[in-house]
Amino acid sequence: QQQVKQSPQSLIVQKGGISIINCAYENTAFDYFPWYQQFPGKGPALLIAIRPDVSEKKEGRFTISFNKSAKQFSLHIMDSQPGDSATYFCAAGNDYKLSFGAGTTVTVRA
Amino acid sequence: EPEVTQTPSHQVTQMGQEVILRCVPISNHLYFYWYRQILGQKVEFLVSFYNNEISEKSEIFDDQFSVERPDGSNFTLKIRSTKLEDSAMYFCASSTLTEQYFGPGTRLTVT
Repeated sequence: QQQVKQSPQSLIVQKGGISIINCAYENTAFDYFPWYQQFPGKGPALLIAIRPDVSEKKEGRFTISFNKSAKQFSLHIMDSQPGDSATYFCAAGNDYKLSFGAGTTVTVRA
Repeated sequence: EPEVTQTPSHQVTQMGQEVILRCVPISNHLYFYWYRQILGQKVEFLVSFYNNEISEKSEIFDDQFSVERPDGSNFTLKIRSTKLEDSAMYFCASSTLTEQYFGPGTRLTVT
């Protein structure tokens, strides 16, 4: 059972462009939705997270949009930089468990 | 900045052998987790641990797996009899409540 579906699998964006990654979840009991950034050979690093009581959260160049009725949330990376090239994972869950999406490899071309 | 640490960074073991993966969570965190990531795949939840007991575990976390907090700082994952399919990156994470911070991982290779 795939609890969190993530798309696209990969994307290429020009420097300065916007990267958009989408996720959909199934379990309505989920109440915490983080995004993680992972570089090769490293552990996932918490990037930004949202709770279902808000529809949007912005931290610097990273914005989460959340649609509770559609059970969807997305990550927008504004003004993408080459250093943003990484794999991004959405996750959904609660205090005791996170279910991860399959990951999106983002490549930012200079 | 406090961080989760894991040892060893790479462990090679033979099928059927026992391995213990070690983690030092962030000092004021109360919740501890193990996840694994098979090469090129998504991160999968194994187990969460709070107040010296398992809070939740996945179907992957069968009788071959166990976790322990042997002292005030370490959190361990033991695999009793490793199989080839246990080869993966194992990540420890910790949190105060919800925001989980991951360690750098231990790459386990079972031959």
